[in-house]
Amino acid sequence: AQKITQTQPGMFVQEKEAVTLDCTYDTSDQSYGLFWYKQPSSGEMIFLIYQGSYDEQNATEGRYSLNFQKARKSANLVISASQLGDSAMYFCASGGSGYALNFGKGTSLLVTP
Amino acid sequence: GAGVSQTPSNKVTEKGKYVELRCDPISGHTALYWYRQSLGQGPEFLIYFQGTGAADDSGLPNDRFFAVRPEGSVSTLKIQRTERGDSAVYLCASSLRGTYNEQFFGPGTRLTVL
Repeated sequence: AQKITQTQPGMFVQEKEAVTLDCTYDTSDQSYGLFWYKQPSSGEMIFLIYQGSYDEQNATEGRYSLNFQKARKSANLVISASQLGDSAMYFCASGGSGYALNFGKGTSLLVTP
Repeated sequence: GAGVSQTPSNKVTEKGKYVELRCDPISGHTALYWYRQSLGQGPEFLIYFQGTGAADDSGLPNDRFFAVRPEGSVSTLKIQRTERGDSAVYLCASSLRGTYNEQFFGPGTRLTVL
């Protein structure tokens, strides 16, 4: 079984600043994937970024980057140059041999002007 | 192209009633997933289909929950004898294959059991 821990229930960041959302995972799988999703108040889950366990380089997608530290079992999301539209819930998830995604409890991010 | 669609968007029912929730995945996506999201929590896996068959139904909480995907496209999640604890947002997702591909989520169905 896999477990995802997101220890920050809520985070604030000022517009144009960078913010890091923490995620640690626990898995016995040798091969797995790590994902971040954004859920705005509308409720839809929006895929942001993916990191494979064997990828040696940290994944990046535009303003999003994933700080993957395999030995520490952490997969933190870094959002650069925050925008007001980034205010939302952010979920870290892992997918292993069972295909299903295991989600953390999420972090609520509020971007202030 | 069209994304994942789910109907109805909201469903209010009484305790003990039967409900059906529908998911229409992205065309060509062979993998389909159902998740349940309770207030203040992340989504929890219910069942995964690869084509027409349920490849993993280990997340279904009990035998009141059942899902089908008879033609490998549209899926229906069925809940019998609903209980107040079933109240949640039911999310459907689809992906091209069943491994670590990006899962595209629908807007969800908010189920309220009175």
